[in-house]
Amino acid sequence: LAKTTQPISMDSYEGQEVNITCSHNNIATNDYITWYQQFPSQGPRFIIQGYKTKVTNEVASLFIPADRKSSTLSLPRVSLSDTAVYYCLVGDKRRGNTGKLIFGQGTTLQVKP
Amino acid sequence: KAGVTQTPRYLIKTRGQQVTLSCSPISGHRSVSWYQQTPGQGLQFLFEYFSETQRNKGNFPGRFSGRQFSNSRSEMNVSTLELGDSALYLCASSLTPGQGNYEQYFGPGTRLTVT
Repeated sequence: LAKTTQPISMDSYEGQEVNITCSHNNIATNDYITWYQQFPSQGPRFIIQGYKTKVTNEVASLFIPADRKSSTLSLPRVSLSDTAVYYCLVGDKRRGNTGKLIFGQGTTLQVKP
Repeated sequence: KAGVTQTPRYLIKTRGQQVTLSCSPISGHRSVSWYQQTPGQGLQFLFEYFSETQRNKGNFPGRFSGRQFSNSRSEMNVSTLELGDSALYLCASSLTPGQGNYEQYFGPGTRLTVT
């Protein structure tokens, strides 16, 4: 799986939009980009996944530029409950590949009142 | 639909003992993966099962083993426990391996403490 680089930590305030950027310079043609959120003492939670351009769901948006060497997770109007660790993963979704996820250190987002 | 369940939630064992952890995937999910999370090493992949077969294994010693049953439920076993095995053990399920398997659903985990 391609290695990813994320900021170790970020601070924000309630109501602000938060953008977390992940670098994946060695992303392969068939790789997808996936983001997870984890609260203390809980399992990670799938947030969003994309291949190119923009993906949006009820929780977040994922922006992927044309070269796909980076991606940005955007959380609109964060609240205190969005304080968590966010992981960016890159890997091949093709049939036959395994369910092995490789998590980096993630980005610890601290939302302040 | 019920989420991934793991039992027990907390466990305390002494060195040298063995332990078995259980995971029930989301109904209809056939792939189960196991992860170990520690403050020092972060989240590390242990192994993945699909159709009662181990498809992939992480870099853990042979003391760590697992299996999957015909109903997709899975167990993992750690024999001869060491202090360093203290961790949060997470189970994740997905519909099938391969396509879409990066969309995994994690359980709450089992907190294992080895004394």
